Amino acid sequence: RKEVEQDPGPFNVPEGATVAFNCTYSNSASQSFFWYRQDCRKEPKLLMSVYSSGNEDGRFTAQLNRASQYISLLIRDSKLSDSATYLCVEGDSNYQLIWGAGTKLIIKP
Amino acid sequence: GAGVSQSPRYKVAKRGQDVALRCDPISGHVSLFWYQQALGQGPEFLTYFQNEAQLDKSGLPSDRFFAERPEGSVSTLKIQRTQQEDSAVYLCASSLGGRGNEQFFGPGTRLTVL
Repeated sequence: RKEVEQDPGPFNVPEGATVAFNCTYSNSASQSFFWYRQDCRKEPKLLMSVYSSGNEDGRFTAQLNRASQYISLLIRDSKLSDSATYLCVEGDSNYQLIWGAGTKLIIKP
Repeated sequence: GAGVSQSPRYKVAKRGQDVALRCDPISGHVSLFWYQQALGQGPEFLTYFQNEAQLDKSGLPSDRFFAERPEGSVSTLKIQRTQQEDSAVYLCASSLGGRGNEQFFGPGTRLTVL
């Protein structure tokens, strides 16, 4: 069974702190990976794609570890507005997207 | 902006009723996806269209679920003889190219079956 596993959290983090979470995927042949952000009762929105070399966008850094089959998301200098659920997504060899259940992040003032 | 729109936003149905959920993708987007999202879960894939062709319907949970996109733009997800377990948010997403491209989501239709 295809699975993307994430720690559901919640991660309670003080404002300004750095937080990181991982997700593991099952298909070693998967080609593409994404992090989506979903606010409560809203639709998912793409946060960033995850490339083999890793990528950074402002305070957000995503890494891919093919050997251990996990991807990670690091958020530096966290803001109250970063509170959301972060969904890890794997695009398999048939380009079907497999979604994790999400990690809930709560940033506290 | 002209994002993905879905209607209705909320639907309450009595068990056994048929429902139809509509999705208007972003203009020019070739690919369209339907997902089902239960509370506290990630989206579960239902079906995928490339233009008007339904290329993958492996995620449809039963033959009560039917989707169409006859002209390659608007899509309708129909659920016949609704059951309580069908209660969920139904999300539609579109993308410019294939499945590996960024998907843009509509706001979803929250279906409650009583």
